[in-house]
Amino acid sequence: GESVGLHLPTLSVQEGDNSIINCAYSNSASDYFIWYKQESGKGPQFIIDIRSNMDKRQGQRVTVLLNKTVKHLSLQIAATQPGDSAVYFCAESPYSSASKIIFGSGTRLSIRP
Amino acid sequence: DAGVIQSPRHEVTEMGQEVTLRCKPISGHNSLFWYRQTMMRGLELLIYFNNNVPIDDSGMPEDRFSAKMPNASFSTLKIQPSEPRDSAVYFCASSPQGLGEKLFFGSGTQLSVL
Repeated sequence: GESVGLHLPTLSVQEGDNSIINCAYSNSASDYFIWYKQESGKGPQFIIDIRSNMDKRQGQRVTVLLNKTVKHLSLQIAATQPGDSAVYFCAESPYSSASKIIFGSGTRLSIRP
Repeated sequence: DAGVIQSPRHEVTEMGQEVTLRCKPISGHNSLFWYRQTMMRGLELLIYFNNNVPIDDSGMPEDRFSAKMPNASFSTLKIQPSEPRDSAVYFCASSPQGLGEKLFFGSGTQLSVL
């Protein structure tokens, strides 16, 4: 989910279903990727990360997939719950150098009861 | 651990006034970051410190913005004079190993410049 400007892309998911949030990154030199979750009125919170020597990493109810060929990252949330409602940001960084972490513009996840 | 602590949570000021935002990073973290978040521009890195030394301030928008880190447990971001376009949420984050590792964010300061 990429967007520029005022309107965040929104993903609406039925409670209990799986959610897939997508992110396209731009820098071929990026070798470290992170997903953050931001709830209303709070700061971004780390969810899961992955380095470029991996293509999949699993956490608790979350999985991150990395496709370096097409520079694509996805976050899968299993059995989506109301507490998963938030804006999700992907971020990229060249780990080997002191450079900036670049955040994507975010995707809003909305849960339908 | 209490996490990254920012103050104030909300600041409303008039154009031209000085604004000082404060941050206490997580103990033991050696890198500190200041971000600004707006709807139009998303999350932007303003400056980051490593071991209390400013490493990259290229994101600081203008000379009106300045940041200091006098010790490992405290940092300030100052805007003088403030302008309405500075209205945003300002986040402080810390990291145990510097850029390329996960960041721990504070709850932010919502700044409104009238």
